Amino acid sequence: QKEVEQDPGPLSVPEGAIVSLNCTYSNSAFQYFMWYRQYSRKGPELLMYTYSSGNKEDGRFTAQVDKSSKYISLFIRDSQPSDSATYLCAMRATQGGSEKLVFGKGMKLTVNP
Amino acid sequence: DAGVTQSPTHLIKTRGQQVTLRCSPKSGHDTVSWYQQALGQGPQFIFQYYEEEERQRGNFPDRFSGHQFPNYSSELNVNALLLGDSALYLCASSPGTANSPLHFGNGTRLTVT
Repeated sequence: QKEVEQDPGPLSVPEGAIVSLNCTYSNSAFQYFMWYRQYSRKGPELLMYTYSSGNKEDGRFTAQVDKSSKYISLFIRDSQPSDSATYLCAMRATQGGSEKLVFGKGMKLTVNP
Repeated sequence: DAGVTQSPTHLIKTRGQQVTLRCSPKSGHDTVSWYQQALGQGPQFIFQYYEEEERQRGNFPDRFSGHQFPNYSSELNVNALLLGDSALYLCASSPGTANSPLHFGNGTRLTVT
């Protein structure tokens, strides 16, 4: 079993739709959870960074963490064509200051005008 | 304020050759990590440098080596290139504070023929 599982999609939605992206993980040592957005031919860009279980909102984006179920989600409201990108979940265990991230495979999202 | 910069952006090498990739971290960051991202996959951790020493290493062979300079910039060296080494190589930096999010560069696209 892989440490982090993410449905690779692809996912295609109309403009204005609510998008839900999900990851599950098996390592209970993971404490820090991130969502990165990666445009074609670019590096990953940090979108959301959370530690505790619950919801964190930033504009149209909401990150949700459920540590008891080992499940994280990213919701995008009022999706825009500019949201078309690959979305990567990433997580990290606390290891004495080491910052190795474990990524999911990434979900390719297309928002159609 | 410049972010993480990587050079070159693209590189084509032949099997058996050696390659050196370069990274300058974001201003104020002293920790550099390298990741390999194969096509359609999430980034995989190669190693991390802090205070000019390798602090942690992922599951990569000794053909992959690195270096960090006093100005915190870093190099990734790959010897005896294999076709399977073709990937996007990403550099990420962070401040030395534990549990800080990573900031990625746009990567170097390496093609091995």
